[in-house]
Amino acid sequence: DAGVIQSPRHEVTEMGQEVTLRCKPISGHDYLFWYRQTMMRGLELLIYFNNNVPIDDSGMPEDRFSAKMPNASFSTLKIQPSEPRDSAVYFCASKYGLSDEQFFGPGTRLTVL
Amino acid sequence: AQRVTQPEKLLSVFKGAPVELKCNYSYSGSPELFWYVQYSRQRLQLLLRHISRESIKGFTADLNKGETSFHLKKPFAQEEDSAMYYCALKYGNQFYFGTGTSLTVIP
Repeated sequence: DAGVIQSPRHEVTEMGQEVTLRCKPISGHDYLFWYRQTMMRGLELLIYFNNNVPIDDSGMPEDRFSAKMPNASFSTLKIQPSEPRDSAVYFCASKYGLSDEQFFGPGTRLTVL
Repeated sequence: AQRVTQPEKLLSVFKGAPVELKCNYSYSGSPELFWYVQYSRQRLQLLLRHISRESIKGFTADLNKGETSFHLKKPFAQEEDSAMYYCALKYGNQFYFGTGTSLTVIP
């Protein structure tokens, strides 16, 4: 298993553009988490899904952020329009059932100019 | 509200010296705490969980409910311990992470 897969690994865009980050969780995992990592705030939970259903999106910073999970093997995090303060590393993680161990993807480094 | 505090963003120690990475938490219930580590060019991964009371790569962490702390310790730091360390609190199916401590072990 290749683990959690994220794409792209790096994204550079201009302010105002739409950005879509993608995640493929580990097969069989029923929980998927999106995190944002910044120097100032560390690792923040944005949203998580259970069985493809969003459970808690209270960490999503603004309406410009949206996330979907159309099936068990794919999720997207979209920012529209993007702003320079959205620059960060975005991580996707997955886990199975009651397990307390999350498995993280390699992250997407987003730079908004 | 649930909160995890890691007061040190950067920590440098010499090889062979003891190291302690501090973590304090705020939680009214019975906490489940973890340490995650991210080595250079590797993924963030679980290092240890407090309930297992195990030593991983020479690291231990003891939950102190009186001080609401879960500090990570190692008696003799090695160069390969240089990494980013995150303390995390599990609440339901959510994890609250601290801001992380970047550890550098100086040869």
